[in-house]
Amino acid sequence: DQQVKQNSPSLSVQEGRISILNCDYTNSMFDYFLWYKKYPAEGPTFLISISSIKDKNEDGRFTVFLNKSAKHLSLHIVPSQPGDSAVYFCAAKEGSGAGSYQLTFGKGTKLSVIP
Amino acid sequence: DSGVTQTPKHLITATGQRVTLRCSPRSGDLSVYWYQQSLDQGLQFLIQYYNGEERAKGNILERFSAQQFPDLHSELNLSSLELGDSALYFCASSVSNYGYTFGSGTRLTVV
Repeated sequence: DQQVKQNSPSLSVQEGRISILNCDYTNSMFDYFLWYKKYPAEGPTFLISISSIKDKNEDGRFTVFLNKSAKHLSLHIVPSQPGDSAVYFCAAKEGSGAGSYQLTFGKGTKLSVIP
Repeated sequence: DSGVTQTPKHLITATGQRVTLRCSPRSGDLSVYWYQQSLDQGLQFLIQYYNGEERAKGNILERFSAQQFPDLHSELNLSSLELGDSALYFCASSVSNYGYTFGSGTRLTVV
């Protein structure tokens, strides 16, 4: 059973517009959420994160929104740039003992930003 | 360069064989995590080692095993390989609770 779901396998956006990537989760024990970006032939790189005690976190062009009641988070990229074209993974951490930081990942959304 | 080094980058082997994937974490990172990414799948957590000891286990098959050595590098051993084991295998390291640093992965192809 997938605990983290990214229901859109792909998304195409015009350069300069907003990209919105969505993620749903089912495990109410998740207390920390992260977004990773992955280019071909590279490992995922950390992009932005949010704690479950917040509903928004912003870093430059990237903003993550968390709606705990709906168990939903989204990543907004404004404005979108061609270099943002990549696969974006949503990930979640369950509160657990110190020293363990297991992440549960979604299947990813491939974002294509069209010049 | 993320600082996490994985070797080899590519591996092609036959069914039934055994392979070893190697990971060197970032300097100072005590934890090593192994993840598998199969076709059209997200990253699936396999196992975590912390300072030489197994700390958490995920969906790791019994045919797979791992260890972390005193110099903190880790090896993932995959044996009796099947076609379905073909995947990208990522290693990640972390010293804090705020996200991993991933290596660039090893692409395993079983033929």
